[in-house]
Amino acid sequence: NAGVTQTPKFRILKIGQSMTLQCAQDMNHNYMYWYRQDPGMGLKLIYYSVGAGITDKGEVPNGYNVSRSTTEDFPLRLELAAPSQTSVYFCASSYASGTFSYEQYFGPGTRLTVT
Amino acid sequence: AQTVTQSQPEMSVQEAETVTLSCTYDTSESDYYLFWYKQPPSRQMILVIRQEAYKQQNATENRFSVNFQKAAKSFSLKISDSQLGDAAMYFCAYRSGSGNTPLVFGKGTRLSVIA
Repeated sequence: NAGVTQTPKFRILKIGQSMTLQCAQDMNHNYMYWYRQDPGMGLKLIYYSVGAGITDKGEVPNGYNVSRSTTEDFPLRLELAAPSQTSVYFCASSYASGTFSYEQYFGPGTRLTVT
Repeated sequence: AQTVTQSQPEMSVQEAETVTLSCTYDTSESDYYLFWYKQPPSRQMILVIRQEAYKQQNATENRFSVNFQKAAKSFSLKISDSQLGDAAMYFCAYRSGSGNTPLVFGKGTRLSVIA
């Protein structure tokens, strides 16, 4: 298993540009998440998904969009990039059944700089 | 909303010694999970230890153990026989027990290990 993979690892964007951060998992997890980590801070939730076709906002969703057309993939779209979106982005996944849930597995992160 | 507080931005420990990292949290729920994650310079988020709130026994994983004080809403991590490879950012995280809700992270503690 590759686990959770993210591409790209690094990216520099100009203000106003758009891009999609890719995330894929091969563990058949139903839940997937996007977090951002600003310097000196913990991770904050952007969006999450409980299954294909279902997404929900987290703590800091403004400026982002997501879609979940398959169980494996959960891309994060940045429209009109702003310097405030400079951060490290982590994708994670987990499996839940009923009221029991398992650990979240994290990808290696994408470092994004907007200038 | 739940919050997680790590009051020690930085800690240091001599190799082979023991260090304790502090974490407090605020919640009105009775069913929840607590986690410690390690983030080395590679940025990968690695699960160190997990504690279920309904368990009175403190979790242990090799050299890592927790002191879970439910009434005080405290969840400290003890690292025994510290090794150079333990140097990293450590994040305390909370998750509600109802469903597979996302993690709420503290701001982290940077641990340095001195040879």
